[in-house]
Amino acid sequence: AQSVSQHNHHVILSEAASLELGCNYSYGGTVNLFWYVQYPGQHLQLLLKYFSGDPLVKGIKGFEAEFIKSKFSFNLRKPSVQWSDTAEYFCAVNGGTSGTYKYIFGTGTRLKVLA
Amino acid sequence: DAGVTQSPTHLIKTRGQQVTLRCSPKSGHDTVSWYQQALGQGPQFIFQYYEEEERQRGNFPDRFSGHQFPNYSSELNVNALLLGDSALYLCASSFWTVLGGYTFGSGTRLTVV
Repeated sequence: AQSVSQHNHHVILSEAASLELGCNYSYGGTVNLFWYVQYPGQHLQLLLKYFSGDPLVKGIKGFEAEFIKSKFSFNLRKPSVQWSDTAEYFCAVNGGTSGTYKYIFGTGTRLKVLA
Repeated sequence: DAGVTQSPTHLIKTRGQQVTLRCSPKSGHDTVSWYQQALGQGPQFIFQYYEEEERQRGNFPDRFSGHQFPNYSSELNVNALLLGDSALYLCASSFWTVLGGYTFGSGTRLTVV
């Protein structure tokens, strides 16, 4: 079955540090990839998505992600984090062996940014 | 404002009871998906409704059932509650292709005692 792995469960950074959160998915044919964010006390929100084309995807709030097909990875990056980026980040995959409609989510990475 | 409205926000039930959770999708969306999020885990897909039909189901027992109404709103029903059903239940709405991404509600926190 399709699966998603997020290797870092907790990350602590200082403001202005660079961020990279790992996401790997199991092979399952053509997939669509997403990153969602959940700020404290808020609902899950879409950060960015990849379907095809340019493997470097830019999202909201300065986030970007790179799809590397050979590594089955879709890592999230931000050059300089802010205190307001403190949140939980979820990688998700759609398609492949999981079927057309459902999303498979990773277990999430809790990011804490120190002011 | 999430755009997706879920009710109630919190619920406490006893083992063996039945519960109904409700969801109103974002305006313009016609597809509703339900997810279960246990503590420390990512959301897990329960099922998805489109055109009042369940069109994909995750690995959840038949105790979990749902319904979609003509106005696209949806209900999630869980029968014979178990302690392990305690979780945050998320409703997500989308267009029928789901490729645009979901809009999530804030969830219903269900505690089974």
